[in-house]
Amino acid sequence: DVKVTQSSRYLVKRTGEKVFLECVQDMDHENMFWYRQDPGLGLRLIYFSYDVKMKEKGDIPEGYSVSREKKERFSLILESASTNQTSMYLCASAKYGYTFGSGTRLTVV
Amino acid sequence: GESVGLHLPTLSVQEGDNSIINCAYSNSASDYFIWYKQESGKGPQFIIDIRSNMDKRQGQRVTVLLNKTVKHLSLQIAATQPGDSAVYFCAENVGNQGGKLIFGQGTELSVKP
Repeated sequence: DVKVTQSSRYLVKRTGEKVFLECVQDMDHENMFWYRQDPGLGLRLIYFSYDVKMKEKGDIPEGYSVSREKKERFSLILESASTNQTSMYLCASAKYGYTFGSGTRLTVV
Repeated sequence: GESVGLHLPTLSVQEGDNSIINCAYSNSASDYFIWYKQESGKGPQFIIDIRSNMDKRQGQRVTVLLNKTVKHLSLQIAATQPGDSAVYFCAENVGNQGGKLIFGQGTELSVKP
């Protein structure tokens, strides 16, 4: 089975901090995605990548950046965390269907 | 822009009954659809998928129906069990498989014992 591992289940960060959310997949998939999930808004795409060193903006990229230096790792970066970035963050890996990680619940105080 | 939406945000059924969860999509070019189940505290899990050249696909206790004429997707769960309680999302894919998905907002299914 494909495994998508997100490094932290819960994080609490202060406003203005730089935050790194890590995601690693073990099935050599080219495609990786970062979503955030908020009540009533569903899953919204932040950034995605179809190859190493490749990245594309999703629907809500503002305030975020990403890094894909290796095929198996896709990192989401909050350059200066704000309270409106408090959310559940989900990473996914795909070749045909998606496999999601368990999510990181980030609270910015 | 394109969006995928669910008709009902919550659904409550009796254990043993059949459940039907509906989804409307707006992009007629979408060619691949997926249903996901998300339990509390977990990431979404794949349930079943269907391509646009099909109108029905069955899995174990689940059936997905696709009506391209009215751009409607449904998930049927037979003999619903307490373990089926979760939020269910539909998603549509346009273009290359394994690419971007557009998700609906989700329907929360509650199963009463």
